[in-house]
Amino acid sequence: QSALTQPASVSGSPGQSITISCTGTSSDVGGYNFVSWYQQHPGKAPRVMIYDVSNRPSGVSNRFSGSKSGNTASLTISGLQAEDEADYYCSSYTSFSTLVFGGGTKLTVL
Amino acid sequence: EVQLVESGGGLVQPGGSLTLSCVASGFSFSRYWMTWVRQAPGKGLEWVANIERDGSEKYYADSVRGRFTISRDNAEKSLFLQMNSLRADDTAVYYCARRGVGSGLDVWGQGTTVTVSS
Repeated sequence: QSALTQPASVSGSPGQSITISCTGTSSDVGGYNFVSWYQQHPGKAPRVMIYDVSNRPSGVSNRFSGSKSGNTASLTISGLQAEDEADYYCSSYTSFSTLVFGGGTKLTVL
Repeated sequence: EVQLVESGGGLVQPGGSLTLSCVASGFSFSRYWMTWVRQAPGKGLEWVANIERDGSEKYYADSVRGRFTISRDNAEKSLFLQMNSLRADDTAVYYCARRGVGSGLDVWGQGTTVTVSS
């Protein structure tokens, strides 16, 4: 149950776009379309932003989008806003019906 | 309002036991897989355990297998996590979460804090 690999930090200026990667294996990210992305502000519970690789829950801005290629999933945030500054986590279900998270990425809006 | 409320956290000595509870409201609890996720201080999210809708299937992280037990009472709309042989590295905020229509965890509780220390 190794954690998925995410960059520790990314940054961007308001209005720009950023992409956060999430690399796993063929037993998790690459094997299933069960990748989700979560946003977490300090002291708050996580909030799902993307599920099943590219689906946005109701209420999530269309500035957030997800994709996957092979064993790597990606979260793209376009038109960066100050409120997007948070920690972001990817997750994937695995071939063993377990769940694995990435180590998290701190997004800084400059 | 769809809501999950955890309770049962606290300070416990190494080797001790604790049971966390999570009460659901505003949705048909028995129709959803449920999950426990924890977050150690200053660290990332760590999946702990999953339980199927009727409790027939349960899955655990390697770090807790054999020490923690996930269970549910659909009549009471409650999820539980019994934690035994607690260690210092079990110290974390514990969240219960609902697996939604897709694979995402779409509803989260506010978390309950477990501190393992002598």
